[in-house]
Parts: sequence; structure tokens; C-alpha cells
Amino acid sequence: QPVLTQSSSASASLGSSVKLTCTLSSGHSTYFIAWHQQQAGKAPRYLMRLKHSGDYNKGSGIPDRFSGSSSGADRYLTISNLQSEDEADYYCETWDRNTYVVFGGGTRLTVL
Amino acid sequence: EVQLVESGGGLVQPGGSLRLSCVASGFTFSSYAMSWVRQAPGKGLEWVSTISGSGSSTYYADSVKGRFTISRDNSKNTLFLQMNSLTVEDTAVYYCAKDTSPGPKPEDFDFWGQGTLVTVSS
Repeated sequence: QPVLTQSSSASASLGSSVKLTCTLSSGHSTYFIAWHQQQAGKAPRYLMRLKHSGDYNKGSGIPDRFSGSSSGADRYLTISNLQSEDEADYYCETWDRNTYVVFGGGTRLTVL
Repeated sequence: EVQLVESGGGLVQPGGSLRLSCVASGFTFSSYAMSWVRQAPGKGLEWVSTISGSGSSTYYADSVKGRFTISRDNSKNTLFLQMNSLTVEDTAVYYCAKDTSPGPKPEDFDFWGQGTLVTVSS
């Protein structure tokens, strides 16, 4: 079954860019993933579906500042021109015909 | 505009039961699989269960299999989660989520409800 590994925390300055990583476990490097954002006290919000190829499809209303990319088993979420409202927990998710749905542990992003 | 509104959460004793509901609007409900995802206090997201758009297929996490039952009423655009034999480990905010596909198996979730809190405690 797939396992998703995320760093527990990250930080970056207002107006800068940050790249968050989600790593798929061995044998699952071709899996699609999704990225979700969860601001403090709020429900998760779908950001995008990201393919092994690096192609991605963003959710409704997601700003251009959010983009995705892939390299091997790593899936990335890049946020450009960081805003204060980008401070949140970011979760990656994948799905499998046997395990069904798995979430990563989440990365807490702090905007300095 | 897609909206998902959960209800039914509350305080229940260990061993008790609770039924959650989620009313959907803004999309063709029967065309999409629907899921429940939970989040224990201070913890990450955990997938709980998924039902296909037609309602004919259901899937459960091992942690709830045999205790929880997912169902839907497509005539009323409503998703349900019947939770029995509750334990303190089931304490969490429960989110209703719309899948990007009709199913039958879950994929990614493009819309989420605001969540309903279930507290299992004596």
C-alpha cells in the first residue's frame, strides 16, 4: 500500500516562494496525488490533482500562485508570492484500488 | 456553487451510536462518489468511507469496518454515516467530501463540507 511522507513544517517569508514535498513510497512512484490546504479552524480545500508527468489540474478558484510538479516519487506544491492567508496545513493524498485513500501527515507552513 | 452541509455530530458515550448527514447542492449528486473523512483533535486527515454515485458500492477504512455504514439518498441529495459501537478513538471532526469521479472507488476530493464534531466520552 502507498505511504506518503511530508515534512512536518516549513516556513518562508511574505512575498517569497516555497516548495513543499510529498514523497511516495517505493513501488508507487507513478501514482497521482492531490494537494489540499487547511487553514486553521477551517475545512480542507482542494488545490489540485498532480500526475506523475508533472501535469496538474487545479481546483475551482485556486490562484495562479499555486502550481505543482513531479520528479520520480516526489510530488511538489509550489506557492509563489506568499501571502499571509497561505499560512496553513498542506496535505497530500493518494488513492489505490486496494488501500483506497491515504493522506500524508501534513506540512504546517508558516509565513514569516 | 457546490455546498456540502453536515449535521448530526455531538457527544455520545462509548458504545453508543450516532448518524451523520450531509446535504449536497450545486452539482448532480448522483453522478459522483461521496466520502467521509475525519480529523481527530490536533491530528491529520483520515479517510473513513466512500460510496459510489449509484450507491451500489461502498468502501471502508479498516478502523471502522463492521461498525460504520455509509449510505446515500440520491432523491434527497443526502449522504449518511451510521456510526455504531463508538469508541474514544472515533472522536473527531467528520467531513463530507465530494469525489472528482463517479466511482466506484474513491479518488480525490474536490469539495469539502465544514465538518461536524463527534465526541465520544463518558
